This record gives sequence, C-alpha cells and structure tokens, in this order.
Amino acid sequence: EIVLTQSPGTLSLSPGERATLSCRASQSVSSTSLAWYQQKPGQAPRLLIYGASNRATGIPDRFSGSGSGTDFTLTISRLEPEDFAVYYCQQYGSSPRTFGQGTKVEIK
Amino acid sequence: QVQLVESGGGVVQPGRSLRLSCAASGFTFSSYAMHWVRQAPGKGLEWVAIISYDIRNKYYADSVKGRFTISRDNSKNTLYLQMDSLRAEDTAVYYCARDNYGGYGACDIWGQGTMVTVSS
Repeated sequence: EIVLTQSPGTLSLSPGERATLSCRASQSVSSTSLAWYQQKPGQAPRLLIYGASNRATGIPDRFSGSGSGTDFTLTISRLEPEDFAVYYCQQYGSSPRTFGQGTKVEIK
Repeated sequence: QVQLVESGGGVVQPGRSLRLSCAASGFTFSSYAMHWVRQAPGKGLEWVAIISYDIRNKYYADSVKGRFTISRDNSKNTLYLQMDSLRAEDTAVYYCARDNYGGYGACDIWGQGTMVTVSS
C-alpha cells in the first residue's frame, strides 16, 4: 500500500498570500495518478487536480499541481477567502487507492 | 445537472447489516466506474470500494474486504454498498463518487454523503 504524507499539517496564511502544500508518497506513484481535493466543513470533497497537474472542470487557475514520482505539490497562487479549507492528496495508480491525512489551510 | 444522492444511513448495532444506495442523475451512469469513500468523524478520507461500469470488476479496501459488497443496477442508475458484520470502526460518513477515467481515474463527482453510526 502506498502511504501518502502531507505537509504541513496546518498552514496559517492571509488572503492574497501563496499557499504551497506537499504530498510525499512512500513509493513512486504510477503515471502521475495523483489527485488533490478540497473539503470544507460539512461538505463533500471537491476534485481540484487530477493527473498531478490537470485542473478539474470549473477550478480557477490560481490552483495548480505539479510533481511526479514520489513528490507532489499543490499551489494556490493567491488565497481567496473561499480557499480556506482542508486539502487531501490521493493516489489512484495502484490498489488500494490511498489518501493523505490532509492539510488544513486556515486564516492567519 | 450531474448529481449523486446517497441514502440508507442510520444507527445500527455492531454485527448487524445496512445497505446504502446512491442515485445518479444527469449523466450516463452505465458508462462510469463508481466508488465508495468514507470519512470517520473528525478524520480523513478512506477509499472503500470501486465497481467497474459493466460490473465485471470490483475491488475493496482490506478493512472491509469480506464484509462489504459493492454493486450497481445500471437500469436504475443506482449504486449500492451492502455492509455486513458492522463494527464500531465503520462509523463514518459514506460518500459515493464517480470515476473520471474508466476506473483508473480520480473522483470527479461526489454525493453529499450519508452517515452510518455503529453503536449498541
């Protein structure tokens, strides 16, 4: 099973700042099968990025993903008030699919 | 619009069974693989199971293998999760989600979730 470790656990930033979230895999993730999701309290997750760097439908271009192999990054170029949430990475290249433990982006 | 709506959650005693449903609308359900993902209270996401569009292939997380069964009825646009021998650690919000690439993709559409509480 591929273990995904996200860092930091919590990121305290102000609106307008840049957020950089990390996701490290215990083994190489095949074919860049890495996704990022956003989850707000009481809501279902929302797909942001798939294939490591492809934005899902309707996702603003301030969200970008990069990386390959075992190291992946989600970048939010300028935080909007609605971006404060928990973010999860997920690998879907091997079974079982696994999620990281999440990074909370909170208002500083 | 594209939508998934789960139902069937509730409070159940340990060792008992429960069946969740997920009604799909707004897309050609029979063309997509589907997932169940769960989230224990205050915890992260855990993938549970996947079923291929044609029902031929099913895969499960080790934590539920042998106890949970994923199925679908393409004529009714509905996904199911039969949960047997429930344990306290199965307590979670259960989400159904659509796979965006033939069973090899990410989950691009999610339902709102249904809560399952296993308690005596």
